[in-house]
Amino acid sequence: GENVEQHPSTLSVQEGDSAVIKCTYSDSASNYFPWYKQELGKRPQLIIDIRSNVGEKKDQRIAVTLNKTAKHFSLHITETQPEDSAVYFCAASSSSRYGGSQGNLIFGKGTKLSVKP
Amino acid sequence: DSGVTQTPKHLITATGQRVTLRCSPRSGDLSVYWYQQSLDQGLQFLIQYYNGEERAKGNILERFSAQQFPDLHSELNLSSLELGDSALYFCASSVEASGTSGNTIYFGEGSWLTVV
Repeated sequence: GENVEQHPSTLSVQEGDSAVIKCTYSDSASNYFPWYKQELGKRPQLIIDIRSNVGEKKDQRIAVTLNKTAKHFSLHITETQPEDSAVYFCAASSSSRYGGSQGNLIFGKGTKLSVKP
Repeated sequence: DSGVTQTPKHLITATGQRVTLRCSPRSGDLSVYWYQQSLDQGLQFLIQYYNGEERAKGNILERFSAQQFPDLHSELNLSSLELGDSALYFCASSVEASGTSGNTIYFGEGSWLTVV
């Protein structure tokens, strides 16, 4: 089955700096890679996602890159703000026993991002 | 608000007991997923249902079971509870079963389970 590794586990940056979180996955059949932001005690919320036919996607201060050959994808947050402080999870869709990808997501262990004012 | 509704929000129960967590997916979503999040842990996939049928199974204990009903709501049953089962249980839903285009997965607010 799919396995997702996420680094770093904690990340502290100054307000205005950039933050980068990296993930690797194991299953070459995975084709959907979302990123979720979770504030303490709250539900994970989708912030950006990328599909395997795209190498990069950007949404304002957030961007995600995907390297299918190397099986890794990264989240880039520019001009960080204190409200960006949260735990960020990457995920990959698992493969189906029927072939292709499944709907269920396998998550990395999360990165706790702290943005200091 | 994601549109995914979970009840109860909080639950305290004793070891050895059984509880049922309930989830109503977003209107139109056919797939329901259950995830467990323990303290300082990531999101562990438990099980997925699609239109009433079990679709995928993750690290779900034999003491746990789930089902999806004809109206598409789902229940997660946890039995013979142990202290280690204390966690935040999330339900999520999506339109389709496959992780292909347009299949964004939305999470509910979660059910906090404390086993004492």
